Amino acid sequence: DAKTTQPNSMESNEEEPVHLPCNHSTISGTDYIHWYRQLPSQGPEYVIHGLTSNVNNRMASLAIAEDRKSSTLILHRATLRDAAVYYCILGDLYGNKLVFGAGTILRVKS
Amino acid sequence: DTGVSQNPRHKITKRGQNVTFRCDPISEHNRLYWYRQTLGQGPEFLTYFQNEAQLEKSRLLSDRFSAERPKGSFSTLEIQRTEQGDSAMYLCASSPWPAGGQYFGPGTRLTVT
Repeated sequence: DAKTTQPNSMESNEEEPVHLPCNHSTISGTDYIHWYRQLPSQGPEYVIHGLTSNVNNRMASLAIAEDRKSSTLILHRATLRDAAVYYCILGDLYGNKLVFGAGTILRVKS
Repeated sequence: DTGVSQNPRHKITKRGQNVTFRCDPISEHNRLYWYRQTLGQGPEFLTYFQNEAQLEKSRLLSDRFSAERPKGSFSTLEIQRTEQGDSAMYLCASSPWPAGGQYFGPGTRLTVT
């Protein structure tokens, strides 16, 4: 399984943008980049996924480097509810059999 | 639709006992996954089903672990002769394959004393 590298933790102020980086230098041409997050005491939840082009949805934006060796999850205005562990995962289009790393713990300060 | 549900939410058992967990997926989701998560780590894949067929099992799933999805709806995960190392959160997820995304339940926290 292709591996991703994320910072252990990051901190943000409430209502400011947050950029969560992910390195995936061994990504294959068919690997999609999936992001999930896990709020305290809950199961993970889907955030966003993409292949080559940048993607936007109501939760976040995903910026993918041109060489696809890295990507950044962007939360446009962090809220206290966004405090969670964020996982960057490589997989097929459908996110089958996810292989989670340790993720990035995001702390949001009020 | 109430999402993926798991029961029980918490289970404390003594070493050597058998335990069984249940997962009810989102209705009409044909794929169902089991993961295990220990403190400070991301979830680890254990096994998954498409309808009632178990398509893959991780090497983490020792002979003491067995999972079933008899009618392609709910699933059970049984651990026989529990060990302290089995203490973890057991997560279930379902997906409407081939549509994307996995929807996770809240998990069952197992403590083996």
